[in-house]
Amino acid sequence: AQSVTQLDSHVSVSEGTPVLLRCNYSSSYSPSLFWYVQHPNKGLQLLLKYTSAATLVKGINGFEAEFKKSETSFHLTKPSAHMSDAAEYFCVPRAPSNTGKLIFGQGTTLQVK
Amino acid sequence: NAGVTQTPKFRVLKTGQSMTLLCAQDMNHEYMYWYRQDPGMGLRLIHYSVGEGTTAKGEVPDGYNVSRLKKQNFLLGLESAAPSQTSVYFCASSSGRNQPQHFGDGTRLSIL
Repeated sequence: AQSVTQLDSHVSVSEGTPVLLRCNYSSSYSPSLFWYVQHPNKGLQLLLKYTSAATLVKGINGFEAEFKKSETSFHLTKPSAHMSDAAEYFCVPRAPSNTGKLIFGQGTTLQVK
Repeated sequence: NAGVTQTPKFRVLKTGQSMTLLCAQDMNHEYMYWYRQDPGMGLRLIHYSVGEGTTAKGEVPDGYNVSRLKKQNFLLGLESAAPSQTSVYFCASSSGRNQPQHFGDGTRLSIL
């Protein structure tokens, strides 16, 4: 079965410093992976997606993620945090079926001081 | 662009009451999904639809029913509300099974 582990439930950074949100996946094949962001009292917004076309994926708002098969990781990074980045972040694989279902974990809360 | 619109945004029900949550999308998407989000548990899939007139169960379907009579609308019904159904409900849609899902802003439902 396919799953992900977000290694930190809570990350705190200072404004202007780099952001690293860690995600490891478990799959017997290359998965489809997404990073979503959820701001307070809002729905989820797609940051970026990995679909095997390129291992380094650039997303919106300066975020990017690198798919590393050898490490089974898909960590989300941003060079310089902004106060508006404070939110909940989800690393989400797509279930291996014809339904497009996503598999959500508990997410990582990013605090920007 | 409206995207995915959920109605209502907030609702308080008494135990045993029924209600319907409406999700409407204007992107001509085939796939639509209903999730619930509870503290510390991420999002869990309730029901989904892969096209007009089709519905299927997700991981937590008990106590809910859905209908997809029109392609743009996906209704979630609670026949007899229970306090355990207090949650934030999100609707999402996508153009295909490999495409990202677009989410609405949620419906906050409290059942007393």
